[in-house]
Amino acid sequence: QKEVEQNSGPLSVPEGAIASLNCTYSDRVSQSFFWYRQYSGKSPELIMSIYSNGDKEDGRFTAQLNKASQYVSLLIRDSQPSDSATYLCAVNIGGGSDTLTFGKGTMLLVSP
Amino acid sequence: EPEVTQTPSHQVTQMGQEVILRCVPISNHLYFYWYRQILGQKVEFLVSFYNNEISEKSEIFDDQFSVERPDGSNFTLKIRSTKLEDSAMYFCASSSGSHNEQFFGPGTRLTVL
Repeated sequence: QKEVEQNSGPLSVPEGAIASLNCTYSDRVSQSFFWYRQYSGKSPELIMSIYSNGDKEDGRFTAQLNKASQYVSLLIRDSQPSDSATYLCAVNIGGGSDTLTFGKGTMLLVSP
Repeated sequence: EPEVTQTPSHQVTQMGQEVILRCVPISNHLYFYWYRQILGQKVEFLVSFYNNEISEKSEIFDDQFSVERPDGSNFTLKIRSTKLEDSAMYFCASSSGSHNEQFFGPGTRLTVL
């Protein structure tokens, strides 16, 4: 059974700090990895995708993937109060399937 | 910027009634999905749709559920006889390619009484 695990949090950081969000997945053949942000009562909003080992940067966001350790992370630099949300990790195993398996999400709270 | 739209934003229905949730995917996307999220729980995959047929479905997507692309723009999810446990947020998503990024609509909150 495919599992995506995230610490539910909340992760509390002060404004301007780096927030580090982590995710592990169980299916070794997983190929595509996505981070979504979800504000309370709203839909998931895509932040980053990452497909190969290493780092991928987009503005204040950096996704890191380590397939050997089955681990993907999201770093948010210069965190802002508007970043306060739940961050969802989603994994696609590839092959014949294009469905996403989501983790329960980590709640991030950025205090001014 | 193109986006996925969904209607209605909130649907209240009586148990046993049929509901149809509507979605307009991003116009040049070819892959369409329905997910649901029960309050306080994770987002769960229901069904994927490509080339006018279901490509994959989860255990949740039983005979009470169906999907259709009735025209060139709409993508619908029908629940034939709603149950209390069908109460959830239903999200439509679309993608330009298999394994590509999926973009979610704003969701329909379904409340079954």
